[in-house]
Amino acid sequence: SQQGEEDPQALSIQEGENATMNCSYKTSINNLQWYRQNSGRGLVHLILIRSNEREKHSGRLRVTLDTSKKSSSLLITASRAADTASYFCATDDDFGNEKLTFGTGTRLTIIP
Amino acid sequence: ETGVTQTPRHLVMGMTNKKSLKCEQHLGHNAMYWYKQSAKKPLELMFVYNFKEQTENNSVPSRFSPECPNSSHLFLHLHTLQPEDSALYLCASRISLRSGNTIYFGEGSWLTVV
Repeated sequence: SQQGEEDPQALSIQEGENATMNCSYKTSINNLQWYRQNSGRGLVHLILIRSNEREKHSGRLRVTLDTSKKSSSLLITASRAADTASYFCATDDDFGNEKLTFGTGTRLTIIP
Repeated sequence: ETGVTQTPRHLVMGMTNKKSLKCEQHLGHNAMYWYKQSAKKPLELMFVYNFKEQTENNSVPSRFSPECPNSSHLFLHLHTLQPEDSALYLCASRISLRSGNTIYFGEGSWLTVV
C-alpha cells in the first residue's frame, strides 16, 4: 500500500533555526497533508497542498511538492521550543480511495 | 480541541477482558476512522465508516470489533486481546470521504494489554 516516508526520522536543532523535513511517497496522489503530533496526543492538521500546487505557505510553515520526484518538504522557520513534536505527511491517492495514508514521522526537538 | 472526543484516555486490560473504546464527534462529519499507532511504526488504518456503513476493514483481527450506531459515534469493542495490541488507538473524522478534506483526530486512547 502507498505510504509516505519522512526523512530524517529525528532532527534536533537550536531554537531560532529553521527545520526542514522531507516526505517521499510511492504512487500518484491527489493531495498531500502535513500533521503534527505532540507526544502521546492526537494528530493536528497543519497544511494541505494539492497535486497541482508546488508551494504553499501558512505562517512559519512552508510546504513544497514535487510530483515528478514524489516528494514534499516541510520547512518551519524561526523554530520555537513549542514546535517540538512529531511531524507526519499523509497522502490521498488519486484513485478515489478514502484512505489517508501516513508515514512514520519525523521527531523534531527544538533545543532552547 | 479538535471536536473529536475519545474515552477512555487510558485503559489497562487483561487478555480475557472485554472492553470498549468510544469516539464522539459533533462536527457534522460523515466519515469516521480508527487508526492504531504503535511505537516506530506508521499509523495503521484499521476501519473506515461512511454514513454509518463500514467501507474499509484493513485486515484487522476479529478480536477488534467496530460499531458505528450513527455518524457521530464510533466504538471499538475489544475482546481477548494480545499484549502486542498495546498501542495508542486514534479515532478521526472527516466531513466526507472525498479526497482533500482535512481529517480531525481525537486525543487517542492508550491501551495496555497485560
